Amino acid sequence: AQTIHQWPVAEIKAVGSPLSLGCTIKGKSSPNLYWYWQATGGTLQQLFYSITVGQVESVVQLNLSASRPKDDQFILSTEKLLLSHSGFYLCAWSLLGNSGNTLYFGEGSRLIVV
Amino acid sequence: GDSVTQTEGLVTLTKGLPVMLNCTYQTTYSPFLFWYVQHLNEAPKLLLKSSTDNKRTEHQGFYATLHKSSSSFHLQKSSVQLSDSALYFCALSNNNNAPRFGAGTKLSVKP
Repeated sequence: AQTIHQWPVAEIKAVGSPLSLGCTIKGKSSPNLYWYWQATGGTLQQLFYSITVGQVESVVQLNLSASRPKDDQFILSTEKLLLSHSGFYLCAWSLLGNSGNTLYFGEGSRLIVV
Repeated sequence: GDSVTQTEGLVTLTKGLPVMLNCTYQTTYSPFLFWYVQHLNEAPKLLLKSSTDNKRTEHQGFYATLHKSSSSFHLQKSSVQLSDSALYFCALSNNNNAPRFGAGTKLSVKP
């Protein structure tokens, strides 16, 4: 069975400090991978997606970057955090096919920037 | 462009009553519609999905029917429970794009 794991579960970081969030998918070969951001009680905003190793597409500009160094790994990072980066970061996977790109989410990483 | 509209931001109900959460969409392609549920401090989980016109889809007591004629995919349950309190998202997709999510509806069930 496929599993998706995100790390860390939660972080409190200072404005201007760097950030790295990670996501690992096990049990699926060559999945599509996504990063979403959610303000408290808010909607799910897609940030990045990747269909293969080394290729990442940006959907919105939020002074964040993403990389896919391995088929099963997706990294979200920034060198300088802003207060507006606070929120819930969700990694998700899907498979190309005829299922409408059904998304399956990881457990999320909660970030508080102070 | 494509869009998903959830008209209710907050729905408050007493346990045992029926509920309907509205979802309408706009798209130029053949759609897949989803409902995701997100409990407090948890990740969203898939509740229902459909791409078949006029066919009822059910899961965990919730049901929805995709109506392409009215571009709707409303979520219903005949008797809500306290454990149904959560944030519910409607989402629209096709085979090529990631789902686009609506603003979400918070369902609050009171004893």
